[in-house]
Amino acid sequence: AQSVTQLDSQVPVFEEAPVELRCNYSSSVSVYLFWYVQYPNQGLQLLLKYLSGSTLVESINGFEAEFNKSQTSFHLRKPSVHISDTAEYFCAVSGAGSYQLTFGKGTKLSVIP
Amino acid sequence: NAGVTQTPKFQVLKTGQSMTLQCAQDMNHEYMSWYRQDPGMGLRLIHYSVGAGITDQGEVPNGYNVSRSTTEDFPLRLLSAAPSQTSVYFCASSDRIPYEQYFGPGTRLTVT
Repeated sequence: AQSVTQLDSQVPVFEEAPVELRCNYSSSVSVYLFWYVQYPNQGLQLLLKYLSGSTLVESINGFEAEFNKSQTSFHLRKPSVHISDTAEYFCAVSGAGSYQLTFGKGTKLSVIP
Repeated sequence: NAGVTQTPKFQVLKTGQSMTLQCAQDMNHEYMSWYRQDPGMGLRLIHYSVGAGITDQGEVPNGYNVSRSTTEDFPLRLLSAAPSQTSVYFCASSDRIPYEQYFGPGTRLTVT
């Protein structure tokens, strides 16, 4: 079984400031890690994923996340946020051989003009 | 491609009523799943299917039934609605775990 902890339920940040959304996981097997984003009144969309290879993964809109096996973390970062980044972000984990994707409770990012 | 579609968008039920939430995908994905989203709880897996005729329980299956007779459709049935089932329900599909899941727009269900 696997679990995900998102350490912050809400993160307010000023526009053009950097942001980090924290995610820690636990699993007894090797894992695949994901960040999904949910804009208001919409479904979830995949932002980025780690399956294997390079531990630093990037999205097309400037977010990046680093898989840290020793710290069991997969924090999401962006060096300069925009108003349009206001959304709820979910970290998710799937264990090798599992058909289940386990989500964290979400972090609401509010970008302040 | 329409992707993943869900109907209805909104539904109000009285306690004890039954209903079916519909989910369909046109991407020929083998894997489909149902989640419920509650404030502060994230998404919790209700049931999932790895192919036509194959379903299994997720984290919170009680009070829900599913079946998968075709690759395209994966309906979720509420047998006897309870206020605790008030939630937003999302259907998702993917080629297989662990690859990207595509989510539908959701169904907002209120049970009074």
